[in-house]
Amino acid sequence: SQQGEEDPQALSIQEGENATMNCSYKTSINNLQWYRQNSGRGLVHLILIRSNEREKHSGRLRVTLDTSKKSSSLLITASRAADTASYFCATGRDDKIIFGKGTRLHILP
Amino acid sequence: DTEVTQTPKHLVMGMTNKKSLKCEQHMGHRAMYWYKQKAKKPPELMFVYSYEKLSINESVPSRFSPECPNSSLLNLHLHALQPEDSALYLCASSQVTPRTGGPLHFGNGTRLTVT
Repeated sequence: SQQGEEDPQALSIQEGENATMNCSYKTSINNLQWYRQNSGRGLVHLILIRSNEREKHSGRLRVTLDTSKKSSSLLITASRAADTASYFCATGRDDKIIFGKGTRLHILP
Repeated sequence: DTEVTQTPKHLVMGMTNKKSLKCEQHMGHRAMYWYKQKAKKPPELMFVYSYEKLSINESVPSRFSPECPNSSLLNLHLHALQPEDSALYLCASSQVTPRTGGPLHFGNGTRLTVT
């Protein structure tokens, strides 16, 4: 079962620009996490935001959560070539962590 | 490199074979997970173990049989698979149970091809 829907599905930007990805979900959650996946490899955890938090920062990452709209956004500032990857939001509820469809981000040199 | 080790990296098996995927972590994590991922799709949750007990089975067909022999090991036994079961199988662990909420640490997966 899928919970999150990322938007856009694919995004290409120039190196140095900011990248914004959005995630919407359907049911109440305990927390929301963002992960990165390079092609054919395991996922890497980026950031976790709890349902009672509104914003969180980690290095060049900024995550917001709006539980009233059931949505979250991930902002990557000053993008680099190494940021090229797929990004997934994952919602945690009860004993499950369910991933959204993902955004494929391509950083152009 | 990750702290969750999955073996083998690649596996090709026929539909009548029996094989097992193995996952190991030594971080003292108390929850372990199996996910299945098809190309260009998100990981799909299959099983969750909390404190070595199966807590979630996402209606996975019985040809997939999980096993958690101890807190560091997680196996996925495969029998009579279908070609559509070909996918990347990802193992993950977390320090706390999903209910408490914490980051997942993923292995690099086993690429399974069923012929």
